[in-house]
Amino acid sequence: EADIYQTPRYLVIGTGKKITLECSQTMGHDKMYWYQQDPGMELHLIHYSYGVNSTEKGDLSSESTVSRIRTEHFPLTLESARPSHTSQYLCASSESGGGYNSPLHFGNGTRLTVT
Amino acid sequence: KNQVEQSPQSLIILEGKNCTLQCNYTVSPFSNLRWYKQDTGRGPVSLTIMTFSENTKSNGRYTATLDADTKQSSLHITASQLSDSASYICVVSDRGSTLGRLYFGRGTQLTVWP
Repeated sequence: EADIYQTPRYLVIGTGKKITLECSQTMGHDKMYWYQQDPGMELHLIHYSYGVNSTEKGDLSSESTVSRIRTEHFPLTLESARPSHTSQYLCASSESGGGYNSPLHFGNGTRLTVT
Repeated sequence: KNQVEQSPQSLIILEGKNCTLQCNYTVSPFSNLRWYKQDTGRGPVSLTIMTFSENTKSNGRYTATLDADTKQSSLHITASQLSDSASYICVVSDRGSTLGRLYFGRGTQLTVWP
């Protein structure tokens, strides 16, 4: 199994709160990703990083921000949560050496509910 | 438009039976096709990755096939077990960028009954 960890697993917060979803991996992977997944729908890429101090926005517009200060850590922050942010957030990583054919290793996700 | 379509949307089979899940895609230029298994409440786990030159790849009781000409793939599960109950996601990667953009299907929800 992949060594990528997300905390918390579940989070229920009120509108307007600031939250940070944590993601850490112990595999030394350069590439890391955040995906958003709603029930019965495909995964949507919201942020990715090629390495330390590298972050890019993905395909899905998101009000969240990310940082990559250390290789193993890729936290996602929402400055002011809204009910529309209710979703499952999946963090993933992949190694650079395999190029296009590197598999993604996913964490078990954070289920966020904003009331 | 680059898309990945999976069928059926859901499937129920009895333990011990075989089943086949389908994936059609329009992604171009094609790099590889991946199948992932996602258990409820967990992240997806990679089953297989196939490039253009590969037309079949196995991982235990899972066998994936790829027809790059017709842009179709299938995932065959042999002698199903209760633990096979999960969502199976087809993902196609293009070669249009350094990242190798991934296009995700919506998954087939498989339920295996005893």
